[in-house]
Amino acid sequence: DAGVIQSPRHEVTEMGQEVTLRCKPISGHDYLFWYRQTMMRGLELLIYFNNNVPIDDSGMPEDRFSAKMPNASFSTLKIQPSEPRDSAVYFCASSSREDYGYTFGSGTRLTVV
Amino acid sequence: AQSVTQLGSHVSVSEGALVLLRCNYSSSVPPYLFWYVQYPNQGLQLLLKYTSAATLVKGINGFEAEFKKSETSFHLTKPSAHMSDAAEYFCAVSGYSSASKIIFGSGTRLSIRP
Repeated sequence: DAGVIQSPRHEVTEMGQEVTLRCKPISGHDYLFWYRQTMMRGLELLIYFNNNVPIDDSGMPEDRFSAKMPNASFSTLKIQPSEPRDSAVYFCASSSREDYGYTFGSGTRLTVV
Repeated sequence: AQSVTQLGSHVSVSEGALVLLRCNYSSSVPPYLFWYVQYPNQGLQLLLKYTSAATLVKGINGFEAEFKKSETSFHLTKPSAHMSDAAEYFCAVSGYSSASKIIFGSGTRLSIRP
């Protein structure tokens, strides 16, 4: 298996622009998680899905952030409009009920200038 | 509510020395506990996990951790450090549902001196 695949690996955008991060989970995994990592706040859970349905989005910082999972093999995290404070590494992870612990993707490093 | 506290944001040991990274947890339900490792510019990789079976858990790369309920601890150890062990290590906790959201500690950066 290729693991959890995230794209792009790096994204540099200007403040106010829309940013879309993408994730392909491991085939057969029915849970998908989006995390954000910064020096100041560490690893924060933003949202997670089960069977493509959002279960807990309490970590989404504000309405500028949205996440979708249209099918079992694809999820997006969108920021519109982006702000410099959104600069971070965004990780996607997937898991199954039989598998304790997540498998993480390599992350997307977002820089908003 | 669940949380983990990692004692020491930075630990430095000599190559060949014992590695000890400390983690204490708080959980209102029987916890599942994890250690993850993150190498520079990479995602997190699962080192080992405790899921209420044996209290001494062995993981990859020679690491192990012991669950001590009385001390609410889950410290990570390795008998002999290697240069390739230099990385960031995260302790994490989740509830007894295998797919419960995992709460991560703030991380401990491990440096290895030649």
